[in-house]
Amino acid sequence: DGGITQSPKYLFRKEGQNVTLSCEQNLNHDAMYWYRQDPGQGLRLIYYSQIVNDFQKGDIAEGYSVSREKKESFPLTVTSAQKNPTAFYLCASSLGTAVGGPQHFGDGTRLSIL
Amino acid sequence: AQSVAQPEDQVNVAEGNPLTVKCTYSVSGNPYLFWYVQYPNRGLQFLLKYITGDNLVKGSYGFEAEFNKSQTSFHLKKPSALVSDSALYFCAVSPPGGNFNKFYFGSGTKLNVKP
Repeated sequence: DGGITQSPKYLFRKEGQNVTLSCEQNLNHDAMYWYRQDPGQGLRLIYYSQIVNDFQKGDIAEGYSVSREKKESFPLTVTSAQKNPTAFYLCASSLGTAVGGPQHFGDGTRLSIL
Repeated sequence: AQSVAQPEDQVNVAEGNPLTVKCTYSVSGNPYLFWYVQYPNRGLQFLLKYITGDNLVKGSYGFEAEFNKSQTSFHLKKPSALVSDSALYFCAVSPPGGNFNKFYFGSGTKLNVKP
């Protein structure tokens, strides 16, 4: 079945450590997105990518970095500069970047601080 | 500024009764409108979308949504609620134009369906 796979499901970060969240899709989608979800808030966009080797900052990119070396993969690194990283992180993809297409989501990674 | 409001943090309904989850938006132009559902520790699942045409849109699992342009609302409805419908529901809006498929999400409404 086609879909989006996020790993790991749970992740713990130590002080001063960078951690990387994996996102892989086999939907042949061009566009991929990373969101952060906090309780009582909607999803906030961290980064998005419309095509391989290109990505753009979203609304809350500080303390995060991404890469898009392959169409299927869009890993997110939470750096030590992100002072409040505890959240649920969701990866999404859409067929293209044209407005109107639904975004499809993975099952998320929950990141906590040790 | 673009925004989406879900005025109710929580909606309680008895099984078998109709349900409504409200969404209003403030977006320039004629936006594209979406509803998603999220179960605990899972990602968001697409339920339905409105692009143009008939103001009543039908989606998955018996859900439908009514678009009202004058009230800038897109309320989610279901004629008869199930206990299994209990989940977190998000409204999302994608403004027209622009160079990518940007979504603005509401803060979510928790639906509780009691047996």
